[in-house]
Amino acid sequence: AQSVTQLGSHVSVSEGALVLLRCNYSSSVPPYLFWYVQYPNQGLQLLLKYTTGATLVKGINGFEAEFKKSETSFHLTKPSAHMSDAAEYFCAVSDRSGNTGKLIFGQGTTLQVKP
Amino acid sequence: DGGITQSPKYLFRKEGQNVTLSCEQNLNHDAMYWYRQDPGQGLRLIYYSQIVNDFQKGDIAEGYSVSREKKESFPLTVTSAQKNPTAFYLCASSTTGGASSPLHFGNGTRLTVT
Repeated sequence: AQSVTQLGSHVSVSEGALVLLRCNYSSSVPPYLFWYVQYPNQGLQLLLKYTTGATLVKGINGFEAEFKKSETSFHLTKPSAHMSDAAEYFCAVSDRSGNTGKLIFGQGTTLQVKP
Repeated sequence: DGGITQSPKYLFRKEGQNVTLSCEQNLNHDAMYWYRQDPGQGLRLIYYSQIVNDFQKGDIAEGYSVSREKKESFPLTVTSAQKNPTAFYLCASSTTGGASSPLHFGNGTRLTVT
């Protein structure tokens, strides 16, 4: 079975500081991995995805993530936080074994950005 | 603009009543999904459908029902059998329903049952 663990339910950074949101996965097959962002009372928006190829993936709004197979990790980073980055972030792994398109989500990390 | 429309945004019901949440997409996507979101629990899959007239149970299907009579529509009914129906419900779609296709989400319906 596949699963996702996001380390830290709340992360607080100062504006301009590095953002690092941690995600570890468990999968019996090579994973497809996704990061989504959710603003209050809204749906989820795709930030980036990893399927195959380059392990460093760039997404929208200056975010990027690196797939590290040896560490079973897919951490999300941004060099300099903006106030507008304050939101909830979800890491997800795709159900590759069933090829159903289902995503298994982590519990989410709320990012707070302090001025 | 193409997208997923969920209505209503807020819904209030009395305990014991069934309620139907609407989800419509004009993206011409084959697959559609319903997730439930509770604070601190991430998103959990209720039902999904990869083609018209076919759907499958997700991880928490008990107390819910769906239909997929049209490609663009995937309504979710929360029945009186659902023990804790108060939650934020998210509908999503993907192009093919394959593992590499990202999900596109609607803006959700917040259901409160008292």
